[in-house]
Amino acid sequence: DVKVTQSSRYLVKRTGEKVFLECVQDMDHENMFWYRQDPGLGLRLIYFSYDVKMKEKGDIPEGYSVSREKKERFSLILESASTNQTSMYLCASSGGQGTFSYNEQFFGPGTRLTVL
Amino acid sequence: AQSVSQHNHHVILSEAASLELGCNYSYGGTVNLFWYVQYPGQHLQLLLKYFSGDPLVKGIKGFEAEFIKSKFSFNLRKPSVQWSDTAEYFCAVNLRGNYQLIWGAGTKLIIKP
Repeated sequence: DVKVTQSSRYLVKRTGEKVFLECVQDMDHENMFWYRQDPGLGLRLIYFSYDVKMKEKGDIPEGYSVSREKKERFSLILESASTNQTSMYLCASSGGQGTFSYNEQFFGPGTRLTVL
Repeated sequence: AQSVSQHNHHVILSEAASLELGCNYSYGGTVNLFWYVQYPGQHLQLLLKYFSGDPLVKGIKGFEAEFIKSKFSFNLRKPSVQWSDTAEYFCAVNLRGNYQLIWGAGTKLIIKP
């Protein structure tokens, strides 16, 4: 079974803090994704990575950065957290370099971040 | 802009009722289509997918979906729902050759026992 784990299920931070969300997958997948999930908006892609040290902006990258130093780990960084970044953050991975558009994405359990 | 539309945000049914959840997309090219489900407190997981071939796709737990290209639709169906089908259902589409999945807003399905 593919396993995607996220470092925290719940996180509470203060405005202006730097926040790190970690995601680890154990299936040697090339591609990893960070989404935020908000009621009525579905999932929106923040960033994705198709290889170590490679990243691409998604639809809503502003206020976020990412890091992928190892294949299995993909980190989302909120440089200076703001209240409008309160959300559920989902990490996903998929296999198949160059053919990822055909592949199922596997999701972690999510991190519910509250910024006060 | 490319988009995915799910017709109902909330659906309430009684057990044994038939289910159909609508999904329409706005891409003009060749697409891959997905339905994901999120049970309360659980991960998002794949219900079924369509890449090519038979437009009627069968998934897990008795779900199926039909791709109708002329209508840009990929509706999810189940002939008889159970209380355990209570969940949120998401339709997602990607343009073949593109990494990005575009997601519908989701439909919350509540099954009354």
